[in-house]
Amino acid sequence: KNEVEQSPQNLTAQEGEFITINCSYSVGISALHWLQQHPGGGIVSLFMLSSGKKKHGRLIATINIQEKHSSLHITASHPRDSAVYICAVQRYYGGSQGNLIFGKGTKLSVKP
Amino acid sequence: DGGITQSPKYLFRKEGQNVTLSCEQNLNHDAMYWYRQDPGQGLRLIYYSQIVNDFQKGDIAEGYSVSREKKESFPLTVTSAQKNPTAFYLCASTSGLQGFNIQYFGAGTRLSVL
Repeated sequence: KNEVEQSPQNLTAQEGEFITINCSYSVGISALHWLQQHPGGGIVSLFMLSSGKKKHGRLIATINIQEKHSSLHITASHPRDSAVYICAVQRYYGGSQGNLIFGKGTKLSVKP
Repeated sequence: DGGITQSPKYLFRKEGQNVTLSCEQNLNHDAMYWYRQDPGQGLRLIYYSQIVNDFQKGDIAEGYSVSREKKESFPLTVTSAQKNPTAFYLCASTSGLQGFNIQYFGAGTRLSVL
C-alpha cells in the first residue's frame, strides 16, 4: 500500500463547479504539500500545511492530522485549473525529518 | 526573476551513452533535489544535496550520479548503467529543511532512449 493515496485519480468537471481532491497518508508527518503540475510538466507549490486550513484565491487546503487526511478544494472552477494536483508529505520519525513522499496525482479537467 | 532553470527540455540518449541534465538556481537555496516521474507514478527522489560538496542518495539512485561544486548548480548524469532511463526529470530546491519550506521546481527535462 502506498504511503500517500490520492482520490480520485481522474476528475472531470464543468466550469463553475466546486471541486474536492482528497489525500490520505499512513505515516507520521510534520507537513503536507499540495502541488500543481501543468500539461507542460512544470510544477508549482500551492500550499504547505501542518494544521488547520489555508486559502489562496479560489483554492482552499485543509488538513486533519488525527485522521491523516487532507483535502484541496477549488471553488468556481475554470478551464485554466486543468492540471495534475499532487499531494506530498514530509515524513517525521524518531525526531528526524525524512524527505517528501509523493502521491500519484489527480488529473483534473475542467470543461467550459 | 529568481527561479530554477533546467536544460535541455528534451533529450535523447543512445544505448551505452551517458547524458547530463543541467539544473541551475538563482534563489540562493542551500538544498537541491532531483526527482524522476514516470506515467501513473508519484515523483521519486534520485539524489539530493543539502550543501555544496555534499550529496546523498535518494530512493532510486542506481544508474545516476550528481555533483554539487557550486551552490547554484546540481547536474544529474544518467549513466549507461541506468537501463530504463526514459522518464521526466524534475529538479527542485528549497531554502532549508525540505518539509518546512516551499519547494521550487524547474520545468523538467524529458529523456527518451533512441
